[in-house]
Amino acid sequence: DQQVKQNSPSLSVQEGRISILNCDYTNSMFDYFLWYKKYPAEGPTFLISISSIKDKNEDGRFTVFLNKSAKHLSLHIVPSQPGDSAVYFCAASPSFNTNAGKSTFGDGTTLTVKP
Amino acid sequence: DVKVTQSSRYLVKRTGEKVFLECVQDMDHENMFWYRQDPGLGLRLIYFSYDVKMKEKGDIPEGYSVSREKKERFSLILESASTNQTSMYLCASSLGTGGQPQHFGDGTRLSIL
Repeated sequence: DQQVKQNSPSLSVQEGRISILNCDYTNSMFDYFLWYKKYPAEGPTFLISISSIKDKNEDGRFTVFLNKSAKHLSLHIVPSQPGDSAVYFCAASPSFNTNAGKSTFGDGTTLTVKP
Repeated sequence: DVKVTQSSRYLVKRTGEKVFLECVQDMDHENMFWYRQDPGLGLRLIYFSYDVKMKEKGDIPEGYSVSREKKERFSLILESASTNQTSMYLCASSLGTGGQPQHFGDGTRLSIL
């Protein structure tokens, strides 16, 4: 039972356009949602997060939207740049006891931004 | 700047060998994690530790063990390496409170021949 799903293995967009990466989850106990970016031969790096009490969080070109009723979140990148080409992982974590800080990851979406 | 260091970028071992993967963080983080990444399977948690000498199994602990004798160091042990353990292994650390991002090392590409 996969608790965090990224249904699109890949996405290709033109430079300057919007990239929208989607993520669905099933566990209602998740309180925090995070996005990571991973380049080849490097570890993932944290990009942006959102808590369950919010529905939007913005950081520069990156915005994450959360729809709790639908158990769905999305990452918007505007405008997309070739340097954004990477694998993007969605992750979710609870906030209680020893599981705090432990995240469940999706399988990732490979974003390609074409010049 | 925060740093998670994995001892090797590439490692080649033989079937049946005992393999040690080492990870050190310099951020005084409570949590440390070991994942493996395989094509199309995302990041799968092997073990995590929320304090010194404390450990919990993740999603795929079979064939692995861990050791955390000091806060900054978390070791992954393959007791008897097998070819299906050929993978990219990633170590991460985070603060103990909810919602904190994990900081990853650059990974160890392990090949078992």
